[in-house]
Amino acid sequence: QKEVEQNSGPLSVPEGAIASLNCTYSDRGSQSFFWYRQYSGKSPELIMSIYSNGDKEDGRFTAQLNKASQYVSLLIRDSQPSDSATYLCAVNGGGSNYKLTFGKGTLLTVNP
Amino acid sequence: GAGVSQSPSNKVTEKGKDVELRCDPISGHTALYWYRQRLGQGLEFLIYFQGNSAPDKSGLPSDRFSAERTGESVSTLTIQRTQQEDSAVYLCASSPRTAGGDEQYFGPGTRLTVT
Repeated sequence: QKEVEQNSGPLSVPEGAIASLNCTYSDRGSQSFFWYRQYSGKSPELIMSIYSNGDKEDGRFTAQLNKASQYVSLLIRDSQPSDSATYLCAVNGGGSNYKLTFGKGTLLTVNP
Repeated sequence: GAGVSQSPSNKVTEKGKDVELRCDPISGHTALYWYRQRLGQGLEFLIYFQGNSAPDKSGLPSDRFSAERTGESVSTLTIQRTQQEDSAVYLCASSPRTAGGDEQYFGPGTRLTVT
């Protein structure tokens, strides 16, 4: 059973701080990793994808992947109240295994 | 360009009735996925279509659930004899499934309530 684990939170940070969201996965063959943001009552919105070990930066967001440790993280710099949402980590099974396994999400609250 | 669209946005039905949910993927996306998200829960994979290949139905929870897709266009998810436990948001996603990546983009979902 492939698993993706996230701390459910809530994670509370002050405005302007760095929010750090973590995710571990069980399938060592996984090759594609994604972070989605889901506002309450809305559908998931893709914010980052990462495929190689290391860091990938996009604006205020940085995804970090360590396949040896089976760990992926998302850093949000200069957090804003509008970043308050549930962040979902998603992992595919590798190769032709296209199905994404989602974590249950971490609720982030950014306090003004 | 236009994103993934789904209809209806909300559906209330009585227990035992059949419902049909529709998904229109992003143009050019060859892969289409259906997920279910119960209130306060994570996303649950239901079914996957890739081009003209046979769909992967491994996530369908029972034989009351079925889905169709014609080519690389619209898909419909049908739930027969609905039960109260079918109440959830049904999400559709599409993906270009290119060598560069397989990001999935979600539609707004259909909120199904079975009374």
